[in-house]
Amino acid sequence: AQSVAQPEDQVNVAEGNPLTVKCTYSVSGNPYLFWYVQYPNRGLQFLLKYITGDNLVKGSYGFEAEFNKSQTSFHLKKPSALVSDSALYFCAVRDGGDYKLSFGAGTTVTVRA
Amino acid sequence: DAGVIQSPRHEVTEMGQEVTLRCKPISGHNSLFWYRQTMMRGLELLIYFNNNVPIDDSGMPEDRFSAKMPNASFSTLKIQPSEPRDSAVYFCASSPSPAHEQFFGPGTRLTVL
Repeated sequence: AQSVAQPEDQVNVAEGNPLTVKCTYSVSGNPYLFWYVQYPNRGLQFLLKYITGDNLVKGSYGFEAEFNKSQTSFHLKKPSALVSDSALYFCAVRDGGDYKLSFGAGTTVTVRA
Repeated sequence: DAGVIQSPRHEVTEMGQEVTLRCKPISGHNSLFWYRQTMMRGLELLIYFNNNVPIDDSGMPEDRFSAKMPNASFSTLKIQPSEPRDSAVYFCASSPSPAHEQFFGPGTRLTVL
């Protein structure tokens, strides 16, 4: 079985401050990890993924995520948040090359001006 | 590429009516997924097609739900008869293969009165 936990329902930060969205996962095999962002009334947009290799993954819009195997975490980060980063963020995990993605419940990010 | 296309974007219907949601995946993608998103249950995988063949329909809630993929460029999700508890946002996603990231359409917001 595989699962994802996003421990924070909401994250609030001021524009220009660092942004972190937390994610922990559980999977029996090799974790394939993903971050998606959803803006109001839109579909999910792919941000970045970890499959193998460097633990620090860089993605779209200045986001990055760090894979930590010992802590089974894949936190999303952005050094300097923008108001336009306000959205719903989903972490997802897959067991290796399997097709089935398991999504977290989502974290609502609000960046205040 | 236009991305994944879904229609209609919004659907309001009355209980007992048949509802058909449509999806056009990204050209060249051979994996197609239907998801349902609700506040209570988050994102749920309903059914997965690979090369137009249904591989996993274990997420389809009940017999009222059916999905088809008659060719590589079109899929439908049908609910007959619809019930108020089917109200949700339904997403279609496609990927080049089961192991790649999934690309989501804008979704269909279904309201059953």
